[in-house]
Amino acid sequence: TQLLEQSPQFLSIQEGENLTVYCNSSSVFSSLQWYRQEPGEGPVLLVTVVTGGEVKKLKRLTFQFGDARKDSSLHITAAQPGDTGLYLCAGPFSGGSYIPTFGRGTSLIVHP
Amino acid sequence: KAGVTQTPRYLIKTRGQQVTLSCSPISGHRSVSWYQQTPGQGLQFLFEYFSETQRNKGNFPGRFSGRQFSNSRSEMNVSTLELGDSALYLCASSLPSGGAADTQYFGPGTRLTVL
Repeated sequence: TQLLEQSPQFLSIQEGENLTVYCNSSSVFSSLQWYRQEPGEGPVLLVTVVTGGEVKKLKRLTFQFGDARKDSSLHITAAQPGDTGLYLCAGPFSGGSYIPTFGRGTSLIVHP
Repeated sequence: KAGVTQTPRYLIKTRGQQVTLSCSPISGHRSVSWYQQTPGQGLQFLFEYFSETQRNKGNFPGRFSGRQFSNSRSEMNVSTLELGDSALYLCASSLPSGGAADTQYFGPGTRLTVL
């Protein structure tokens, strides 16, 4: 059972389109992080959201943390080929100690 | 500042063998975590070491072990390899702030193939 469910699993779009990817859980997280992983590389942290309802912007990327801190979304405006990669959400799952938990990711391909 | 380095980058082993992977964290980082990434299960936490002590552990069998040295470099070992151990093994380092939302910096990973 995945604690963090990401959707969609795959996304193939044309340059200039907008998209949203989702990260959902039945558990409350004290914070959620979004990473992007490119082929042959490790994940790179994009943002950390910690407050319910929080919205953070990183150039064309907008991240939102749900009010109940159980879900998050990543919206990309006017996608570019350089946005291609695997987008992962992650959070610390508290089962006595904090265990980093990752969703399975959304694989995004942006065609020029 | 140099990033996290992992060696080797690629490794091919056969079932039953054992393997040792190495990770050098960013200078000054004292926490090192290891992850297994597979297409089916995604990125899964193996364990974390801080100041040469295992601080957290994921849900993996005892065949997976690790250690950290006084210079914060870390190794992980997998004994009696199984086909299902084929994966990308990622190492991440972070500063010891003690928070659950520490920023982790990942290395490029070691691609292990078990035949």
